[in-house]
Amino acid sequence: EPEVTQTPSHQVTQMGQEVILRCVPISNHLYFYWYRQILGQKVEFLVSFYNNEISEKSEIFDDQFSVERPDGSNFTLKIRSTKLEDSAMYFCASSESRGGNTIYFGEGSWLTVV
Amino acid sequence: SQQGEEDPQALSIQEGENATMNCSYKTSINNLQWYRQNSGRGLVHLILIRSNEREKHSGRLRVTLDTSKKSSSLLITASRAADTASYFCATDASYGGSQGNLIFGKGTKLSVKP
Repeated sequence: EPEVTQTPSHQVTQMGQEVILRCVPISNHLYFYWYRQILGQKVEFLVSFYNNEISEKSEIFDDQFSVERPDGSNFTLKIRSTKLEDSAMYFCASSESRGGNTIYFGEGSWLTVV
Repeated sequence: SQQGEEDPQALSIQEGENATMNCSYKTSINNLQWYRQNSGRGLVHLILIRSNEREKHSGRLRVTLDTSKKSSSLLITASRAADTASYFCATDASYGGSQGNLIFGKGTKLSVKP
């Protein structure tokens, strides 16, 4: 069964450093998303992306964050100048289209900021 | 904003028993999705139920939706130890026709003892 793949599975970074989390969405999907889950808390929406632009973003997704689809298969989340509170599991997800389709999630990337 | 909240927060049962988890939300929805998460792992999609549907089945899973009560339930029949996981409901934002901004609840932690 097709799946969303994410790399790295775990990354430890120094506070203030930049990190890039990578995702390969399911190949025929057109909508891509990033979510995060701080340990012990709810899964939270960050951003949705379609047709090479952001279609929706949450309050969490401030200027520190950016997303990009650098080629036909990858979808990245960049976090500039990481803070301790950015430590979380970051999930990439994708769906075929809008309008009530299933959203498929990857295994996640654990980010630990020290 | 709408919010999915699962009930109970934790559930412990014996293998072979049925497990019922409930989810309540606050505003109108396009659809509601149930996910499973094994500890520290990704979100596995279980079932999507649309707002005009009342019940859906998938294998040992049965989901109901009552839009008048703004609630949904997930029933797992004949549970197995491998069903041990956290279960989340997620509702879409449903404003402006957007999709992908899923609102997750805190989840029900299910423990199935062999």
